Amino acid sequence: GDSVTQMEGPVTLSEEAFLTINCTYTATGYPSLFWYVQYPGEGLQLLLKATKADDKGSNKGFEATYRKETTSFHLEKGSVQVSDSAVYFCALSTMNTGFQKLVFGTGTRLLVSP
Amino acid sequence: DAGVIQSPRHEVTEMGQEVTLRCKPISGHDYLFWYRQTMMRGLELLIYFNNNVPIDDSGMPEDRFSAKMPNASFSTLKIQPSEPRDSAVYFCASTRNPGTSSYEQYFGPGTRLTVT
Repeated sequence: GDSVTQMEGPVTLSEEAFLTINCTYTATGYPSLFWYVQYPGEGLQLLLKATKADDKGSNKGFEATYRKETTSFHLEKGSVQVSDSAVYFCALSTMNTGFQKLVFGTGTRLLVSP
Repeated sequence: DAGVIQSPRHEVTEMGQEVTLRCKPISGHDYLFWYRQTMMRGLELLIYFNNNVPIDDSGMPEDRFSAKMPNASFSTLKIQPSEPRDSAVYFCASTRNPGTSSYEQYFGPGTRLTVT
């Protein structure tokens, strides 16, 4: 079945460091790809998405490019802030017949220190 | 819009008791999802509804779990009897199906359940 694999956390960085969180996927169809973020004590919220190969999703300084050849959707940010500390989830959805549910990775915790 | 509303935010109960979690989706959304989040298993989809009808309940762990959606603005997830291994954060999410796979799900703040 469809699945998403994320790098293990926590990822610990100093403020203004460069961030990469790896995500790879397995899907039978042609999925859309997402990054969701969960801040402490809150529900998940959509950070960015991409719907086809070579698309780049971006939001709040975060970026991720849909790489079909490597089945990857790595999350990057050039300069992280303390406020970026959260859990990041990679997810996919496919549209085989009608509506298709999201499949989430296990999440990667990011800790940014001042 | 108020977003997805869940209640209670925290629930502590004793093993064997019945627990009911509540969710109000965003107005106009026709899909509603219940998830469970634990350290060991991550985020799991338990069940989802379309137009108040359960579509896929394959993620419901056992018969002790049941979910209902009596109308478009309210859903419940019930655990009876509860067990310590049910301790987790339970999220409700909703969306309006745009007919593509690139839809966004809107999550509530979750209910943290502790069963002692």
